[in-house]
Amino acid sequence: ETGVTQSPTHLIKTRGQQVTLRCSSQSGHNTVSWYQQALGQGPQFIFQYYREEENGRGNFPPRFSGLQFPNYSSELNVNALELDDSALYLCASSPDQNQPQHFGDGTRLSIL
Amino acid sequence: QKEVEQNSGPLSVPEGAIASLNCTYSDRGSQSFFWYRQYSGKSPELIMSIYSNGDKEDGRFTAQLNKASQYVSLLIRDSQPSDSATYLCAVNVDTGFQKLVFGTGTRLLVSP
Repeated sequence: ETGVTQSPTHLIKTRGQQVTLRCSSQSGHNTVSWYQQALGQGPQFIFQYYREEENGRGNFPPRFSGLQFPNYSSELNVNALELDDSALYLCASSPDQNQPQHFGDGTRLSIL
Repeated sequence: QKEVEQNSGPLSVPEGAIASLNCTYSDRGSQSFFWYRQYSGKSPELIMSIYSNGDKEDGRFTAQLNKASQYVSLLIRDSQPSDSATYLCAVNVDTGFQKLVFGTGTRLLVSP
């Protein structure tokens, strides 16, 4: 068990809709990162939050946004969903930026 | 573009053999390196981390790092059918924050 939980496990949306994915990390894990994993690919870094501030972002458009809360939970929000957003979305946390990241079980998002 | 390259496989080995998985990376400033195991339909699971040149052993797993050659490898001794999975190499690239860049993974098949 990694102590990282994600919800929901599966989600089906249609193009143009908005979605919020949730992640709960272990107490004391101040760093949370979100990744997108398309079928047959490695995870791609979306962004990272450290102590409730976004401190790094990958090559994803602004319609991908996030929040981190004081209780070590976080959200990934995606607006104006596109077919290519269909993927496994992974949350990973660590106590600080020098420790390895551990992943939750992921949310599988399907866009119709 | 900071890249991590892996042979996609599949790498087929018989039970009890040594499996050797390789990875090269492009960012010379990278300081930390990880191997994750991912079973089909599941999220990545951290199995090894390595930060300095040389070998690091943990049970049946040995990670090897050569920063001069920008090369990371994972050896799995006494391979078991339960080791059959996709192995993802991840590099924490030098960005000032914790950003993992993943390879596409090598699929390992261990036959009984």
